[in-house]
Amino acid sequence: AQSVTQLDSQVPVFEEAPVELRCNYSSSVSVYLFWYVQYPNQGLQLLLKYLSGSTLVKGINGFEAEFNKSQTSFHLRKPSVHISDTAEYFCAVTGFGDDKIIFGKGTRLHILP
Amino acid sequence: EAEVAQSPRYKITEKSQAVAFWCDPISGHATLYWYRQILGQGPELLVQFQDESVVDDSQLPKDRFSAERLKGVDSTLKIQPAELGDSAMYLCASSLGDAGAHNEQFFGPGTRLTVL
Repeated sequence: AQSVTQLDSQVPVFEEAPVELRCNYSSSVSVYLFWYVQYPNQGLQLLLKYLSGSTLVKGINGFEAEFNKSQTSFHLRKPSVHISDTAEYFCAVTGFGDDKIIFGKGTRLHILP
Repeated sequence: EAEVAQSPRYKITEKSQAVAFWCDPISGHATLYWYRQILGQGPELLVQFQDESVVDDSQLPKDRFSAERLKGVDSTLKIQPAELGDSAMYLCASSLGDAGAHNEQFFGPGTRLTVL
């Protein structure tokens, strides 16, 4: 079985500053990893996903994430945040041969003016 | 742009009443998912359909929850009777191909249920 831990429930950051949202996973098998964003009162939207290949994955809205197998991490980064990035971000995992996605508890990103 | 449609967006009900939520996936999407998202938590899968067949309903509280996708297109999730602990956002998602991690899940806007 897989599990996901998002280490920060809330992250405040000033506009135009860089941000990193942390995610660690646990699994006994190889995994696929995802980051989703949820804007207020909306459903989830896929930001990026890691299936295989390059460990640095680029997504929409200028976000990227790096898969680190030795540290079982998949941290999300953006070099310069905008007020429109205010949202909740979910890290998620699924195992090879399984399509049931396990979500973390989410990290709320607060952009400070 | 094609979207997953859900209705109603908001529902307030009293405990012991029956409620129903509707989802219309993106046209042509074979796989449909219902998730429950409790405030402050990530979504948890309740039930997954492949066309009209249930693939996974292991986390669906079957004593009070039911889900159907009779013609393999739109779907209804029902709760009867509703309990206070059912207050949550109910999300529907769909994906194009057979159930599998390579197929991106597209989410609807959700139905926010409040049970009084």
